[in-house]
Amino acid sequence: DAKTTQPNSMESNEEGPVHLPCNHSTISGTDYIHWYRQLPSQGPEYVIHGLTSNVNNRMASLAIAEDRKSSTLILHRATLRDAAVYYCILTLTGANNLFFGTGTRLTVIP
Amino acid sequence: KAGVTQTPRYLIKTRGQQVTLSCSPISGHRSVSWYQQTPGQGLQFLFEYFSETQRNKGNFPGRFSGRQFSNSRSEMNVSTLELGDSALYLCASSFLRTDTYEQYFGPGTRLTVT
Repeated sequence: DAKTTQPNSMESNEEGPVHLPCNHSTISGTDYIHWYRQLPSQGPEYVIHGLTSNVNNRMASLAIAEDRKSSTLILHRATLRDAAVYYCILTLTGANNLFFGTGTRLTVIP
Repeated sequence: KAGVTQTPRYLIKTRGQQVTLSCSPISGHRSVSWYQQTPGQGLQFLFEYFSETQRNKGNFPGRFSGRQFSNSRSEMNVSTLELGDSALYLCASSFLRTDTYEQYFGPGTRLTVT
């Protein structure tokens, strides 16, 4: 499975935007980019996914580089509830097994 | 819709014993995956079941097994427990959106092996 690289930790001010980067230089044409997050003492939570085009949903936006070697998860207005570990994961088209890395621990400062 | 439920939430077992964990997926979801989470190894994929068949398997010893029933409910079993099996075991049910799956996780079962 193609690997992703994320910063270990990031901080953000409450109500400010958050840009969480992910590098995936060995991504293949059939890999989807998925983002999950895990809040303290909870199971992971699906956030968003995309293939080639930028995606928006009620939780976040996903910006995918033109060459697909990197992507950025955007939280438009961080709240304290967004403090979590964010995982960027690549999955083959049609595959349903997630290989989690170490993710980025996001701290939201009041 | 009700979310993914896992039972029991907490479990304490002794080395050498076996344990069975249960997962009820979101209604309509036919795929169930299991994961192990430990502080040292993080989140690791165990296996995935779809329509009562194991479709994918992670890199775990044969002591870890699972099954899925016709109503999509799933169980995982760990035999001959070792101290290192102490972990949070997470179940996720998923559905196919276009060409890829979205997984929805339960709260997990915290297993402690003494």
